[in-house]
Amino acid sequence: DSGVTQTPKHLITATGQRVTLRCSPRSGDLSVYWYQQSLDQGLQFLIQYYNGEERAKGNILERFSAQQFPDLHSELNLSSLELGDSALYFCASSPDGGGHTGELFFGEGSRLTVL
Amino acid sequence: QQPVQSPQAVILREGEDAVINCSSSKALYSVHWYRQKHGEAPVFLMILLKGGEQKGHEKISASFNEKKQQSSLYLTASQLSYSGTYFCGTPAAGSYQLTFGKGTKLSVIP
Repeated sequence: DSGVTQTPKHLITATGQRVTLRCSPRSGDLSVYWYQQSLDQGLQFLIQYYNGEERAKGNILERFSAQQFPDLHSELNLSSLELGDSALYFCASSPDGGGHTGELFFGEGSRLTVL
Repeated sequence: QQPVQSPQAVILREGEDAVINCSSSKALYSVHWYRQKHGEAPVFLMILLKGGEQKGHEKISASFNEKKQQSSLYLTASQLSYSGTYFCGTPAAGSYQLTFGKGTKLSVIP
């Protein structure tokens, strides 16, 4: 158990809908990262928040947004869902801003299926 | 820039050795290795920070050659528990994001 909690574990929805994925980082960790994992693309970095502020942005679609709240939990909002958004979404946390020396602690992931 | 891993997949018998390579077309400042078992979250193995530095985790070790912009993961006397997908991740200069390769799927069979 990494200490990172993600909910829901599984989610099935229809195209065009909107969903929210939630992540609680390890106690004391200030950074939260979101990754998307699909079969052919591996782990794709989406976005990072550090102590409530956006720190780095990766291949995140405009239909997706995220935020980190004062209690440090984070939410990833996915809207106007398409079939191609079906994937496993991982949240990870680290104590600091990350970069070269930080170990990432991954949650168990939220599996999103868009029908 | 996504690092390139090779091979994409490898099958080993217990006790055999394997090498997984990770290379980048850009300068590498560090290389991070993770293992993901089927249906589970990725788990950190090690970080390599200095050129030529080797680190170890159980019977898994790694090397990092800054000049060649590559890292290799060595799995010695493989065990069934080593099965999984191995990812290398590299942060870009001045960036906090880890970009992962597509992974190498390792299957260890009895």
